[in-house]
Amino acid sequence: DIQMTQSPSSLSASVGDRITITCRASQPVDTFLNWYQQTPGKAPKLLIYDASTLQSGVPSRFSGSGSGTDFTLTVSNLQPEDFATYYCQQTFSTPPFTFGPGTKVDIK
Amino acid sequence: EVQLLESGGGLAQPGGSLRLSCAASGFTFNSHAMNWVRQAPGRGLEWVACVSGNGHTIYYSDSVRGRFTISRDNSKNIVFLQMASLRAEDSAIYYCARGRTMIVPRASDYWGQGTLVAVSS
Repeated sequence: DIQMTQSPSSLSASVGDRITITCRASQPVDTFLNWYQQTPGKAPKLLIYDASTLQSGVPSRFSGSGSGTDFTLTVSNLQPEDFATYYCQQTFSTPPFTFGPGTKVDIK
Repeated sequence: EVQLLESGGGLAQPGGSLRLSCAASGFTFNSHAMNWVRQAPGRGLEWVACVSGNGHTIYYSDSVRGRFTISRDNSKNIVFLQMASLRAEDSAIYYCARGRTMIVPRASDYWGQGTLVAVSS
């Protein structure tokens, strides 16, 4: 199975900051990489799929890049509603479609 | 409007069974793979199982294979997760999620609110 890691595991930031979260796969996943956002008590929300395609309705301050094994999620001009936990997920080939362990973004 | 509504969660004893349901509306159900994802209290997301739009292609995580069964009824727009031989480590919120694609869920674009499963004696 493909293992996913994320760094950092947590970070503190301020409104208006630019943050970057890294996701790494244990083997190449092409661009079959998704990013989700989850706030406490809520279901996850799809932000980006296919590594860099913004899901409909998601603000353009979110962006994704990468291919193969290394991926990044960038949030520019961090807003109060962006303080959440972010997960990457690989969906390469056939399941299991593993998630990363998550990165918690909180207020500095 | 796409809606996914899970039900069937609750308290089960170790070794027991539960059947989760996810009622879908607002989209062409058989055009989308569906999956179940779970989250233990205070933990991350764990992919559990998926079923293709026509119900013929099914996959499971290693942790549930042989104990859980995913299925769907396209005439009623419902996806099920039959859980047997439950263990304490199966305790989690179980989310139903729609795949963007038909055969396997390459990304999950709509999620239900989740249903809580607790396994304890």
